[in-house]
Amino acid sequence: TQLLEQSPQFLSIQEGENLTVYCNSSSVFSSLQWYRQEPGEGPVLLVTVVTGGEVKKLKRLTFQFGDARKDSSLHITAAQTGDTGLYLCAGRETSGSRLTFGEGTQLTVNP
Amino acid sequence: GAGVSQSPSNKVTEKGKDVELRCDPISGHTALYWYRQSLGQGLEFLIYFQGNSAPDKSGLPSDRFSAERTGGSVSTLTIQRTQQEDSAVYLCASSLYRRMSTGELFFGEGSRLTVL
Repeated sequence: TQLLEQSPQFLSIQEGENLTVYCNSSSVFSSLQWYRQEPGEGPVLLVTVVTGGEVKKLKRLTFQFGDARKDSSLHITAAQTGDTGLYLCAGRETSGSRLTFGEGTQLTVNP
Repeated sequence: GAGVSQSPSNKVTEKGKDVELRCDPISGHTALYWYRQSLGQGLEFLIYFQGNSAPDKSGLPSDRFSAERTGGSVSTLTIQRTQQEDSAVYLCASSLYRRMSTGELFFGEGSRLTVL
């Protein structure tokens, strides 16, 4: 089983601050996804990255896939209270079937 | 329906009883996943179905856990002789499957299981 480690596990910041969440593995993934989950709901996809070194931007969110396709980061600029939630990275094995999730980063943005 | 539907949304049972959790995936999605999530934690893979292929059961934690997918659509996750450590939210997701795809998983809202 390919493991994904996320850091930090918990993050509490003030509105307007920037933050970065990391997702690391010793294994290579064919693709990596970031999901966001709110209480009482299932995770919802934010982005998929496929190519090593790829950078994708979604408004104030910037996602990067490591050159070796073993790690990824999520950077949020000028966080807002609506960004509060559990952020999960998920790597797809090279066989293309199972999607393995990290432990998640619980982000709280305070007004 | 438009999304993945799971039932029941909440289930409270006594230790030792059997429970069945149901998942109705998005129509046309051939891939179906079951995950387990403890409070505020990540998702633990349980089982994966893809079309008529043999399911990937490698994530099932014990032989008390089993799952079926009938007619390539609805899936049932069964937990026999429930234990307190089985308490968690059980999430089902479906996806369009393409080999080596980057397919998005669409999740249901989960079934919260509490074993007393």
